[in-house]
Amino acid sequence: NAGVTQTPKFQVLKTGQSMTLQCAQDMNHEYMSWYRQDPGMGLRLIHYSVGAGITDQGEVPNGYNVSRSTTEDFPLRLLSAAPSQTSVYFCASSYSPGQGWNTIYFGEGSWLTVV
Amino acid sequence: AQSVTQLGSHVSVSEGALVLLRCNYSSSVPPYLFWYVQYPNQGLQLLLKYTTGATLVKGINGFEAEFKKSETSFHLTKPSAHMSDAAEYFCAVFFSGGYNKLIFGAGTRLAVHP
Repeated sequence: NAGVTQTPKFQVLKTGQSMTLQCAQDMNHEYMSWYRQDPGMGLRLIHYSVGAGITDQGEVPNGYNVSRSTTEDFPLRLLSAAPSQTSVYFCASSYSPGQGWNTIYFGEGSWLTVV
Repeated sequence: AQSVTQLGSHVSVSEGALVLLRCNYSSSVPPYLFWYVQYPNQGLQLLLKYTTGATLVKGINGFEAEFKKSETSFHLTKPSAHMSDAAEYFCAVFFSGGYNKLIFGAGTRLAVHP
C-alpha cells in the first residue's frame, strides 16, 4: 500500500502499559482514520481526522486517543492497554470528499497483543 | 443511523459457479460504496468502488457490483468463481453530508470448492 506507513508491525504489551501506533502518509491527504479488525466483526472505525487539528470519534473510540498536528501524521495512542485491545490495527488515508475523493489507501496493519 | 450489513458471514461455492456477496446499507445521504478483499494475513485490496455515475461498476479480477438506490444495496458478483477467489470480502460505505465516516460491514468469507 504505497504511501501509508504504519509502525510497528508487531507489538506485545502488558496490561496497563501505554503505547503509540504511528501512521504517516506522504500523499498530502486530508482524511485519515484508524480501524481495528477483529474476527467476525470486520473493521471498526476508532477515530478519524478530516484535516490537521481536527479529529473525531468513530464507532469504538474508548481507550484510544488521537491527535493530528500535521497533515502527514496521525498517531493512535493506547493510554492503558487492556486485553480487549488485542487486535489488528489499520491506518487509512484519502483526499477529502469535497476534493473528488474516491480511493482510500490503507497501511499494512499493526498486530497488537495485550497480555 | 448509518450502518452496513453483509448478509452471510460465510459463503461457499463451487469452482465455476456464480459468486454473489450481499451488502445493504442504511443512509440518509448519498453514499460512496466500496468492496475490498483481504487474503490471509494481508492488508485490504480495493476491488471496486462507486462514487457517482454508472451504477454498474466493474472491478479487478472479474468482479462487478451494482448500486441500487431503491434497495440500498451494493451486491458483489462474479460470473465464474476461481479457487484464487477464496478470501474475505468487505463492503464499505462512506457516509458524507457531515458524517465523514467510512464504515465497514462485518465481512463475508468466501470458500471455493473444486
